[in-house]
Amino acid sequence: DAGITQSPRHKVTETGTPVTLRCHQTENHRYMYWYRQDPGHGLRLIHYSYGVKDTDKGEVSDGYSVSRSKTEDFLLTLESATSSQTSVYFCAISLEQGGNTQYFGPGTRLTVL
Amino acid sequence: EDQVTQSPEALRLQEGESSSLNCSYTVSGLRGLFWYRQDPGKGPEFLFTLYSAGEEKEKERLKATLTKKESFLHITAPKPEDSATYLCAGVMDSSYKLIFGSGTRLLVRP
Repeated sequence: DAGITQSPRHKVTETGTPVTLRCHQTENHRYMYWYRQDPGHGLRLIHYSYGVKDTDKGEVSDGYSVSRSKTEDFLLTLESATSSQTSVYFCAISLEQGGNTQYFGPGTRLTVL
Repeated sequence: EDQVTQSPEALRLQEGESSSLNCSYTVSGLRGLFWYRQDPGKGPEFLFTLYSAGEEKEKERLKATLTKKESFLHITAPKPEDSATYLCAGVMDSSYKLIFGSGTRLLVRP
């Protein structure tokens, strides 16, 4: 295992409520990523971080924000959850960007009613 | 547009029946091609990285190859435990972004 944990692993919430997902790594990797996985779309990048307090948007960032105050933690926040954000969310880490391998966490299944 | 396409979407094999999964890409300046295995309810598990055309890598019953337009994941004499979804992804030169295909669902029957 790549030393990545995600919490919670499952969550059911209602439309309009804020939700925060946590990714924790013990590998001291610089780069961290948040993806969502949906049938027919594969894995799509939401946001990524290239260091403490350094983040940038991915291809599906609308409705999501992130924060990274420590190397080991990367938080994904849905400010006001919508049903379209029902998905499985994966965190990934890599030592470097670009051609360097990304290792994935176990995922969080989020259902927005 | 950079794109990764996997085929077939699903594949059923008998135990011991060898086959190949295809990953074609139109990623400009490909810097790396990655293969992952994903079991139901779990995160993708890294298998291989290929960096240049002609490169091959092997792990147990799996062998990954890369050409200038596509990659193949060859499965030799598969076992039921090889059943999973196999994902490929490409990364462009000087980019952070992994572009994933939709995956191939492999079922190996005993």
